[in-house]
Amino acid sequence: DAKTTQPPSMDCAEGRAANLPCNHSTISGNEYVYWYRQIHSQGPQYIIHGLKNNETNEMASLIITEDRKSSTLILPHATLRDTAVYYCIVREASGGSNYKLTFGKGTLLTVNP
Amino acid sequence: KAGVTQTPRYLIKTRGQQVTLSCSPISGHRSVSWYQQTPGQGLQFLFEYFSETQRNKGNFPGRFSGRQFSNSRSEMNVSTLELGDSALYLCASSLEPGSGNQPQHFGDGTRLSIL
Repeated sequence: DAKTTQPPSMDCAEGRAANLPCNHSTISGNEYVYWYRQIHSQGPQYIIHGLKNNETNEMASLIITEDRKSSTLILPHATLRDTAVYYCIVREASGGSNYKLTFGKGTLLTVNP
Repeated sequence: KAGVTQTPRYLIKTRGQQVTLSCSPISGHRSVSWYQQTPGQGLQFLFEYFSETQRNKGNFPGRFSGRQFSNSRSEMNVSTLELGDSALYLCASSLEPGSGNQPQHFGDGTRLSIL
């Protein structure tokens, strides 16, 4: 079972920031937070991941709370092409079942013109 | 840098047939994993290969098998196809196995339809 909780759907206006929340209250100290997205008929696309610190790359920013029990994925300027299902995943640093990704139901983000 | 390439993109088979799907990982990636995605079950792990050896296996029947070649390319085979095998089959590659700090990168999958 997925160890994360996400809202089933969100809307965002084109050009505005999209802030996607994720709760992972049972996360352990050696688990990373990963974000993927999946556009219809395509494979999941890796976006970003982090352990404790906030992370930023060319696609998005990841904000992890100090207690690590929740995180937010930020798409700074959403476009229509960002409409997709976004998955938040926790994954062990080593051992256990870290060899596989366990996807929950994710959040359907709809970017509106 | 080219991404993960899966062929074919679409495949139609009938019950009882067998099928082979192919995956070419990102250059330099040595670990390849396979997943099955269906609307009802979501994404389910099939198996993982590294150095031509299967390291981990999901809860699928023996009709599902795979292999990895010395150039890290991988194939999966499904024999005696059943209607329930209709799904999107995804391949993901990563640099090395066993590190939670290395993301898996997915291909666009092979959509298999069983008639």
